[in-house]
Amino acid sequence: DADVTQTPRNRITKTGKRIMLECSQTKGHDRMYWYRQDPGLGLRLIYYSFDVKDINKGEISDGYSVSRQAQAKFSLSLESAIPNQTALYFCATSDLRRGDTGELFFGEGSRLTVL
Amino acid sequence: GQNIDQPTEMTATEGAIVQINCTYQTSGFNGLFWYQQHAGEAPTFLSYNVLDGLEEKGRFSSFLSRSKGYSYLLLKELQMKDSASYLCAVMDSNYQLIWGAGTKLIIKP
Repeated sequence: DADVTQTPRNRITKTGKRIMLECSQTKGHDRMYWYRQDPGLGLRLIYYSFDVKDINKGEISDGYSVSRQAQAKFSLSLESAIPNQTALYFCATSDLRRGDTGELFFGEGSRLTVL
Repeated sequence: GQNIDQPTEMTATEGAIVQINCTYQTSGFNGLFWYQQHAGEAPTFLSYNVLDGLEEKGRFSSFLSRSKGYSYLLLKELQMKDSASYLCAVMDSNYQLIWGAGTKLIIKP
């Protein structure tokens, strides 16, 4: 089983619909992230959370919200989806304890298409 | 601003050696990462450099020069399965990762 699990893996929706992407992890990491990836643009950070009570905006947070329900769960919501939110979304976790590099561990990705 | 530059695409031959360069300008430096990403899949960690020099891990090596803001990933004895995108990322002074757009590596028989 994957250490970082995303659901759904694929979703097609219509403009204006509310969408939630969920992420859960079994690595015991405190830090969780949501990224989107578009062709030619690399990974862009949407939101991140360093613990359950900590939520921070990334470089492209407009149009998105998140919820950190527990150490192991971090959800991303699109309140009213629009076509330019069509992308591949990744959840990731990391830890920065002494001796760790801070490398990210990624989920398998959620491909979202907004028509 | 902060930016990471790497070539968009490279082509190499099976069995050969290829070097993928990455230059960066960031607010502070707390390490440089290389990730491999096959099409439609998640990125996977390849290497981490925080001190100048070469880190070798099997067929893959990564080099860092902090004074030049430069790194490269060296892949030896190329295999068809090495066809993928290679992502360079720098951790800045706030421990945030700044990502390059990735280099798509195409391996030909």
